Amino acid sequence: DGGITQSPKYLFRKEGQNVTLSCEQNLNHDAMYWYRQDPGQGLRLIYYSQIVNDFQKGDIAEGYSVSREKKESFPLTVTSAQKNPTAFYLCASSLLTGGQPQHFGDGTRLSIL
Amino acid sequence: GDSVTQMEGPVTLSEEAFLTINCTYTATGYPSLFWYVQYPGEGLQLLLKATKADDKGSNKGFEATYRKETTSFHLEKGSVQVSDSAVYFCALTSSNDYKLSFGAGTTVTVRA
Repeated sequence: DGGITQSPKYLFRKEGQNVTLSCEQNLNHDAMYWYRQDPGQGLRLIYYSQIVNDFQKGDIAEGYSVSREKKESFPLTVTSAQKNPTAFYLCASSLLTGGQPQHFGDGTRLSIL
Repeated sequence: GDSVTQMEGPVTLSEEAFLTINCTYTATGYPSLFWYVQYPGEGLQLLLKATKADDKGSNKGFEATYRKETTSFHLEKGSVQVSDSAVYFCALTSSNDYKLSFGAGTTVTVRA
């Protein structure tokens, strides 16, 4: 079955550490996205990419970095510069054609030790 | 820019009650409209969609009609179940874009 796989499901970070969240899709979608969701809040866009080796900042990119070396993969690094990283992180993908829905993974919950 | 305004929650209902969640939007052109559902601890799942005016999206007993004259896409279900307890997001994307604009989400709790 086609879909989006995020790993790990739960992740713990010590102060001052960088951590990387994995996102893989086998839907053959060109566009991929990372969102942050805080408790009781909506989704905020961190980064998005429409093609390999290219990506753009979303609304809250500070303290995060991404790469897009393969079409299927879009890992997110939460750096030590992100002062409040505790959140639920969602990865999504879509076709580049206008008017299409996005497909989401099951999310990674990041907590600070 | 594009934006979505959703009815604020939380909403608490008894089983078999009627559910309505209001959603209005602002967009240029002719957007596609979506409702997503998020169950506790999970990602978002596409619940239904509509791509042009007067289209009705439906799935799992939920319905929403794309009303261009009122710029609305309200979600309805005639008889809710406990298993419908979730967060519901309204979203849109313009015909010339691929990024989604989301509403803030509405938390629905259904009690037995």
